[in-house]
Amino acid sequence: DSGVTQTPKHLITATGQRVTLRCSPRSGDLSVYWYQQSLDQGLQFLIQYYNGEERAKGNILERFSAQQFPDLHSELNLSSLELGDSALYFCASSVDLAGIDEQFFGPGTRLTVL
Amino acid sequence: AQKITQTQPGMFVQEKEAVTLDCTYDTSDQSYGLFWYKQPSSGEMIFLIYQGSYDEQNATEGRYSLNFQKARKSANLVISASQLGDSAMYFCAMREAFYGGSQGNLIFGKGTKLSVKP
Repeated sequence: DSGVTQTPKHLITATGQRVTLRCSPRSGDLSVYWYQQSLDQGLQFLIQYYNGEERAKGNILERFSAQQFPDLHSELNLSSLELGDSALYFCASSVDLAGIDEQFFGPGTRLTVL
Repeated sequence: AQKITQTQPGMFVQEKEAVTLDCTYDTSDQSYGLFWYKQPSSGEMIFLIYQGSYDEQNATEGRYSLNFQKARKSANLVISASQLGDSAMYFCAMREAFYGGSQGNLIFGKGTKLSVKP
């Protein structure tokens, strides 16, 4: 158990819908990262938050947004969903902002868009 | 340019034998971290081992060791005494230090699917 929690574990929805994925980092970790794992793109970095502020963006679509709340949990919002958004979405946390220490992954949310 | 290269899409190993999973990386930073993660069919990402660029000794964690050859920019994972439960996808990843212009996120290779035969 990494100490990172993600809900829900599975999500099935239809095209055009909006969903919210939730992540709680390990106790004491200030950085939260979101990654997307799809069959064709592999594991890709989406966005990072540190202590409530957005710090870095990767290959995140404009239809996607995220935030980190004062209690440090984070939410990833996916809107106008398309079939290609079906993927495994991971949240990871680390204690630092800019170091090279390990990131601990949550169990992931498997999103299926029908 | 691809920063993490795993050239073995799939590998087979006999139970109880050792296996090496290859990983090469590309960076101009002096400070970086190298990681291996295991992803079983259930989907979770399990952290296995870490090597910092300034570490002089190769990292070891139980049956896992990382063969770090800095000049060759390789960070191969060695699994000794393979077990059936080692069958999974294995990802090599790198994290560059933020001050070097990196975003601090992990950059992953495409993975190697390891199958352990009884």
